[in-house]
Amino acid sequence: AQTVTQSQPEMSVQEAETVTLSCTYDTSESDYYLFWYKQPPSRQMILVIRQEAYKQQNATENRFSVNFQKAAKSFSLKISDSQLGDAAMYFCAYRGPSNTGKLIFGQGTTLQVKP
Amino acid sequence: NAGVTQTPKFRILKIGQSMTLQCAQDMNHNYMYWYRQDPGMGLKLIYYSVGAGITDKGEVPNGYNVSRSTTEDFPLRLELAAPSQTSVYFCASSRAGQGVEAFFGQGTRLTVV
Repeated sequence: AQTVTQSQPEMSVQEAETVTLSCTYDTSESDYYLFWYKQPPSRQMILVIRQEAYKQQNATENRFSVNFQKAAKSFSLKISDSQLGDAAMYFCAYRGPSNTGKLIFGQGTTLQVKP
Repeated sequence: NAGVTQTPKFRILKIGQSMTLQCAQDMNHNYMYWYRQDPGMGLKLIYYSVGAGITDKGEVPNGYNVSRSTTEDFPLRLELAAPSQTSVYFCASSRAGQGVEAFFGQGTRLTVV
């Protein structure tokens, strides 16, 4: 069975600095997708970034980028120029090649941004 | 542009009571899901559906039931509520396809006392 692990329950970063959130996963599949979702205090789940496993190039969305290491099964999220609005819970998620679209989530990392 | 709508947003149930969490989406998505989020545990899949009339169990289905009579609606039924069902419940939907985005509702915070 596939699993997703986020080993950092809490992280903090100074405003305008850079922070990296870690995620590892376990799967025997070769074709899959990985996602980072943001959950602010409003509880809304917001997609931050996604990565296709067959693409070697790391995905980037403005200040958010990932470091995807397929062999190591690692998928970290880097937030550059952190802003107060980045404070939230961040979830790493895995979606396998089945035709059901099910997501497997990690435990989440709470990010605090200090002014 | 409603997206995924869940009702109610908050609810307190007594042990043994039943209730239905409503979920509706207006994006014509075939796939719909119910997750629960417990503190420090991430989201776990309860039930999912890949189309009207088709449902299947996820990781934690015990104590819940679902139905999918239309593409738009995917209600979650709690029978005989137990304190272990205290959680935040999220409904989500997506198009078919592996890399597509899943859209989430605002969640329902349920407390069973």
